[in-house]
Amino acid sequence: AQTVTQSQPEMSVQEAETVTLSCTYDTSESDYYLFWYKQPPSRQMILVIRQEAYKQQNATENRFSVNFQKAAKSFSLKISDSQLGDAAMYFCAYAAPNSGGSNYKLTFGKGTLLTVNP
Amino acid sequence: KAGVTQTPRYLIKTRGQQVTLSCSPISGHRSVSWYQQTPGQGLQFLFEYFSETQRNKGNFPGRFSGRQFSNSRSEMNVSTLELGDSALYLCASSFMGPNTEAFFGQGTRLTVV
Repeated sequence: AQTVTQSQPEMSVQEAETVTLSCTYDTSESDYYLFWYKQPPSRQMILVIRQEAYKQQNATENRFSVNFQKAAKSFSLKISDSQLGDAAMYFCAYAAPNSGGSNYKLTFGKGTLLTVNP
Repeated sequence: KAGVTQTPRYLIKTRGQQVTLSCSPISGHRSVSWYQQTPGQGLQFLFEYFSETQRNKGNFPGRFSGRQFSNSRSEMNVSTLELGDSALYLCASSFMGPNTEAFFGQGTRLTVV
């Protein structure tokens, strides 16, 4: 069974600084997808960034980038130039390809609560 | 484009009662999945529907059930409510399935007393 582990329950960062959130996962699949979702106090989950395992290049979205290490099964999120609006719970998630069996689901880590200090 | 709509937003039920939660996905999306979020267990997968067919089910008791209609709207039902069912229930909508971008609703906060 796939598992996702976020080892940092809480992190804090100063506004305008950079912070990295860690995520490791376990799977026997060779093709899969990894995500970072953000859940602000409003509770609505918002996709931050998506990475396809077959792609060597790390995904980036503006101030957000990932460090995807397939062999190490590691998928960290780097937030540059942190803003007050980045404060939220961040979840790392895994999904297998859309093909049969026990797929068709997101498996989430426990989350990392990010505080941004002014 | 309207987002994912979950109703109701808040619900208080008594132990032993049953409850039905509704999720309207984004227009054109045929995959709807449900998750239970609690402080202790985090986000746990309940089930996923695609074109009215359940493609996957999580490890929850049979008191938890769901369905999807021809317009892709989905409902989940919990019968014989227990105190431990108190949680935020999140619905996610996607075009083909969870490995594409999933859009979440704001959730239904269920409190069982």
